[in-house]
Amino acid sequence: SQTIHQWPATLVQPVGSPLSLECTVEGTSNPNLYWYRQAAGRGLQLLFYSVGIGQISSEVPQNLSASRPQDRQFILSSKKLLLSDSGFYLCAWSPLRRVLIPASEQYFGPGTRLTVT
Amino acid sequence: AQSVAQPEDQVNVAEGNPLTVKCTYSVSGNPYLFWYVQYPNRGLQFLLKYITGDNLVKGSYGFEAEFNKSQTSFHLKKPSALVSDSALYFCAVRVGKRDDKIIFGKGTRLHILP
Repeated sequence: SQTIHQWPATLVQPVGSPLSLECTVEGTSNPNLYWYRQAAGRGLQLLFYSVGIGQISSEVPQNLSASRPQDRQFILSSKKLLLSDSGFYLCAWSPLRRVLIPASEQYFGPGTRLTVT
Repeated sequence: AQSVAQPEDQVNVAEGNPLTVKCTYSVSGNPYLFWYVQYPNRGLQFLLKYITGDNLVKGSYGFEAEFNKSQTSFHLKKPSALVSDSALYFCAVRVGKRDDKIIFGKGTRLHILP
């Protein structure tokens, strides 16, 4: 079965410090990968998604970046954190699209709670 | 523009009563719709999806959703609510083809009262 991991679970960082959040998926190949941010326990904002190694699409201009160095690894980074970067960060994956399946659901990791102080 | 709306921030239901969480959508082309649930400080869990076929879709934990094309709605339902159903519920619609990108509604908080 497939499993998605995120770490760390919680993180407290000062303003201006760097950030690296990691997400890995087990039990599948060539997944689509996604990073979301959820503020104040409400709506989800899609930050980045990737359909393959080295292929990153950005949804919202910001001081965050993403990388996919391996097929099942997705990393969210920042060189200098802002107070507004605080939130709950969620990684998700969806299966490689198959011709007879017009749409696939996404499966979410447990999330990382980031507090920028 | 493609969008999904959840008109209620919060829904309160007595335990044992039927529940409905509302969702409406606006998409070009065929709608592919999803419901997710989120418990406190957890990731989202997939409940069910509508792709094609029967308008009544059955999912996890006894939930079902009714697709109504004329009303562009996809309401989540359960015949008898449990206290453990209390959580944040998200409706979503697919907007990307190859990448399965989806957009979420703002969420509806469901409170089941004992």
